[in-house]
Amino acid sequence: RKEVEQDPGPFNVPEGATVAFNCTYSNSASQSFFWYRQDCRKEPKLLMSVYSSGNEDGRFTAQLNRASQYISLLIRDSKLSDSATYLCVADSDSWGKFQFGAGTQVVVTP
Amino acid sequence: EAQVTQNPRYLITVTGKKLTVTCSQNMNHEYMSWYRQDPGLGLRQIYYSMNVEVTDKGDVPEGYKVSRKEKRNFPLILESPSPNQTSLYFCASSFHRTTNEKLFFGSGTQLSVL
Repeated sequence: RKEVEQDPGPFNVPEGATVAFNCTYSNSASQSFFWYRQDCRKEPKLLMSVYSSGNEDGRFTAQLNRASQYISLLIRDSKLSDSATYLCVADSDSWGKFQFGAGTQVVVTP
Repeated sequence: EAQVTQNPRYLITVTGKKLTVTCSQNMNHEYMSWYRQDPGLGLRQIYYSMNVEVTDKGDVPEGYKVSRKEKRNFPLILESPSPNQTSLYFCASSFHRTTNEKLFFGSGTQLSVL
């Protein structure tokens, strides 16, 4: 079983709508979580870190649920430019090791 | 400009011909790492380095070597490439591998082994 799992999608979202998706992680020792954005076969770029208390950055909100071992990302008022693959990342119990999910594809349509 | 530079961007080679993919960062980062990305599998960590002369295996180290003789450089070496190493490779760095440390990625190297 993969340590970090994501629904591959695609999530087809009308422009202006809200979309949310989750990522589950299996290592209960994971402490740090992130969402990265990746455009088609380009380098991943940090979207936001995920804190225990949840955090918001503009139209993006990330939540962490330790009891059920998942993190979520919500995108409000979706823009065409939000079309991308969103990668969930959790640290491993070994220093320096990160586990990436396979990504959730979001397609925002006019 | 702060960046991670990978070369080459594209590489086609044949089975068994040794190759090196270079990675260099100009941000004085301590931590560097190599990943490969395959469809449906996401990014998988090959090797990482916490500092000069300190390297450790990631989840898929077989068939790869790395070295960290200088802080800025972290080359990935394939001594005898095989077709199953055809993949998109990314180098990444961060100041230090600590909680919530942002990873900076290079632009990627698409490798095809025939």
